[in-house]
Amino acid sequence: EAGVVQSPRYKIIEKKQPVAFWCNPISGHNTLYWYRQNLGQGPELLIRYENEEAVDDSQLPKDRFSAERLKGVDSTLKIQPAELGDSAVYLCASSLELGTDTQYFGPGTRLTVL
Amino acid sequence: KQEVTQIPAALSVPEGENLVLNCSFTDSAIYNLQWFRQDPGKGLTSLLLIQSSQREQTSGRLNASLDKSSGRSTLYIAASQPGDSATYLCAVPSSNTGKLIFGQGTTLQVKP
Repeated sequence: EAGVVQSPRYKIIEKKQPVAFWCNPISGHNTLYWYRQNLGQGPELLIRYENEEAVDDSQLPKDRFSAERLKGVDSTLKIQPAELGDSAVYLCASSLELGTDTQYFGPGTRLTVL
Repeated sequence: KQEVTQIPAALSVPEGENLVLNCSFTDSAIYNLQWFRQDPGKGLTSLLLIQSSQREQTSGRLNASLDKSSGRSTLYIAASQPGDSATYLCAVPSSNTGKLIFGQGTTLQVKP
């Protein structure tokens, strides 16, 4: 069974440029999460989807970040414009059910903003 | 507000030693606790998940314990190997929303 797939694995951009990350969760997993992990820290949730509905986006900086999961399967996270402080690893995770089920993580996208 | 703390931040041991990683959380009303492993430049791999009704879980050389009343969990690694070198993270869900609250991790180095 394929795990959570993310692309690209690495991205280097200049500040003020846009960037997008893509995630394809494990087949059949209804819940999808986007986390951001700064160097030396644990991941922090940005947004959580139940199927195509964003049910928790309280930590998403909405002035520059947006996300979508149009068909309730794969998802895209976008930053526009990027700032130096956005440099981090962006992790996608999925779980079978809502709430306290095991979350399975993708390899992440390492973003560097110059 | 739930806070998760891991001590120590880094640990270096010789191969073959048994070791314990610590995780503490401030709100004991948790549904479960999960231990992850993260290799450099990689995502997180789930190692063990302990439900709130359980006291411990075992997988191979790994044993995780949970003491809800004291807000603590430990990850015991027996007979450590160089391949165990990685960052270990513990996490608890925030209420029943599924949002995981992570500790900052313990970076383990096992020297041959």
